Amino acid sequence: NAGVTQTPKFRILKIGQSMTLQCTQDMNHNYMYWYRQDPGMGLKLIYYSVGAGITDKGEVPNGYNVSRSTTEDFPLRLELAAPSQTSVYFCASSYSTQLSFYEQYFGPGTRLTVT
Amino acid sequence: AQKVTQAQTEISVVEKEDVTLDCVYETRDTTYYLFWYKQPPSGELVFLIRRNSFDEQNEISGRYSWNFQKSTSSFNFTITASQVVDSAVYFCALSYNQGGKLIFGQGTELSVKP
Repeated sequence: NAGVTQTPKFRILKIGQSMTLQCTQDMNHNYMYWYRQDPGMGLKLIYYSVGAGITDKGEVPNGYNVSRSTTEDFPLRLELAAPSQTSVYFCASSYSTQLSFYEQYFGPGTRLTVT
Repeated sequence: AQKVTQAQTEISVVEKEDVTLDCVYETRDTTYYLFWYKQPPSGELVFLIRRNSFDEQNEISGRYSWNFQKSTSSFNFTITASQVVDSAVYFCALSYNQGGKLIFGQGTELSVKP
């Protein structure tokens, strides 16, 4: 099993450009998440999904969009990139139910710089 | 509001010393989950432990141990006989009854010197 994979590993964007960060998991997990980690900080939730076709906002959703058409894939779209979106982005997945939340497994991260 | 506080920003110890990383959480939910993750210099996040709010038993795994005390809302992590490979940022996190979202503390950077 590859676990959670993310592409690209690194990217430099110009202000105003758009891009999609890809995330795929092969563990058949139902829940998937996108977090961002700013220097010296903990992770903050951007969006999450409890299953295909269902997404919801996290703590810092502005400037981002997501979709979940399959169980495996959860891409994150950045529209009109801004310097404040310079960060490391982590995708995660877990098997959870409405009653129990299990550990999340994280991808290796995408380091994004917006200049 | 849900919150996780890791008051120790950085800790530096010499190899073989014991070290405790503190974690204090806030939640109004009666059912919740607590986690510890390790982030080594390579940047990935490694899951260490999950504990639910109904299980206050302490846990030991090799040189690692965790002390969960609901009375003080704390979930502290102790490394016994630290090693250089333990150098990393350690995050405590809280998950509660909304999609399993994790609320992270700011992390404690542990440096173990030889």
